[in-house]
Amino acid sequence: GPKVLQIPSHQIIDMGQMVTLNCDPVSNHLYFYWYKQILGQQMEFLVNFYNGKVMEKSKLFKDQFSVERPDGSYFTLKIQPTALEDSAVYFCASSLGTEVFFGKGTRLTVV
Amino acid sequence: GQQVQQSPASLVLQEGENAELQCNFSTSLNSMQWFYQRPGGSLVSLFYNPSGTKHSGRLTSTTVIKERRSSLHISSSQTTDSGTYLCALERASGSWQLIFGSGTQLTVMP
Repeated sequence: GPKVLQIPSHQIIDMGQMVTLNCDPVSNHLYFYWYKQILGQQMEFLVNFYNGKVMEKSKLFKDQFSVERPDGSYFTLKIQPTALEDSAVYFCASSLGTEVFFGKGTRLTVV
Repeated sequence: GQQVQQSPASLVLQEGENAELQCNFSTSLNSMQWFYQRPGGSLVSLFYNPSGTKHSGRLTSTTVIKERRSSLHISSSQTTDSGTYLCALERASGSWQLIFGSGTQLTVMP
């Protein structure tokens, strides 16, 4: 099926530093998402993005989080500053408005 | 409470047996999707099934909106089917987020 690519697959970062997670969504998709999964726990919605704007965000999408997709480039999730509780796998997803396709995730470890 | 409940939480089968995984939801839905999460964590979309029955190889998904349930049937299970199966719904309220169940952990023994 359609591929959503995430770079890097794993990132280790010191608490308090900034991190940017990159996502290359399916080329003709219009809706972009970030989800968070802590090890052994449920997948949880963070944010969705359409037409250059955040459409919806959850309580997990803290003020330290931001997303953007400059024209023709990656859809990014930036966390600044990072906290220990941000350690999780972050999944990017995209869709045309129906079926949602997920990337393989970026495992973020904050130490 | 939980808007999406999956059962069973875990299931162990012998290779060749069939599996029936259930997803019950307490809210009106716009769409229902089933995913397979590999042991390494990546998610594979199995079905986008807002209503009715869909087939793909040994897999069948049935969503009955009036009964607020969706099921995933795996026939003639194989060891490679082992992993976590997740259902996720998009509510009918105009929200685009997927709400995930907690998953069924399937283990198929040789």
